[in-house]
Amino acid sequence: QQQVKQSPQSLIVQKGGIPIINCAYENTAFDYFPWYQQFPGKGPALLIAIRPDVSEKKEGRFTISFNKSAKQFSLHIMDSQPGDSATYFCAASVNRAGKSTFGDGTTLTVKP
Amino acid sequence: NAGVMQNPRHLVRRRGQEARLRCSPMKGHSHVYWYRQLPEEGLKFMVYLQKENIIDESGMPKERFSAEFPKEGPSILRIQQVVRGDSAAYFCASSLDKNTEAFFGQGTRLTVV
Repeated sequence: QQQVKQSPQSLIVQKGGIPIINCAYENTAFDYFPWYQQFPGKGPALLIAIRPDVSEKKEGRFTISFNKSAKQFSLHIMDSQPGDSATYFCAASVNRAGKSTFGDGTTLTVKP
Repeated sequence: NAGVMQNPRHLVRRRGQEARLRCSPMKGHSHVYWYRQLPEEGLKFMVYLQKENIIDESGMPKERFSAEFPKEGPSILRIQQVVRGDSAAYFCASSLDKNTEAFFGQGTRLTVV
């Protein structure tokens, strides 16, 4: 049973647009929610992460919004650039452990 | 400080052969995690090891797959008698301890022909 559901599967935006990727989880024991960026042929790289005691976290152009009661969280990319084109994964874990449950990924294309 | 190193980057095996994937964690890291990524899917946890111990293997297939992390040397993920369905990208991650961030390697792409 998949425990982290991610949508959409793919997303195309124009340069400067604000793509939004959504994730929902089921296991209430999860207390750490990272987002990873993956380029073709590379491993996932941590982008930004949030804990459930915070409703929003911003790092540069990347913002996570977190809704604990709905068990949902989302990634917003402000002023998106073609270089942001990649696959994005949300994940969830307990105590920031290396054992994480990943969503299936969103392939983002930012057109110039 | 080198990151997590995985080799080989690409591995081709015929059905029935054995595949050995190696992972050298970041310097000072003693916790290693293996994940498998099938095409168009997210990463699926396989196994968590600490030096000389398997901590959690809840994601490992019951047959043909094994993992080790010896006192000296890299962690090894071993797949015996590979089948086409084993074709995937296998990623290793390492962390300083069990409650700190894990960093991923670039993966090994296994193709079974």
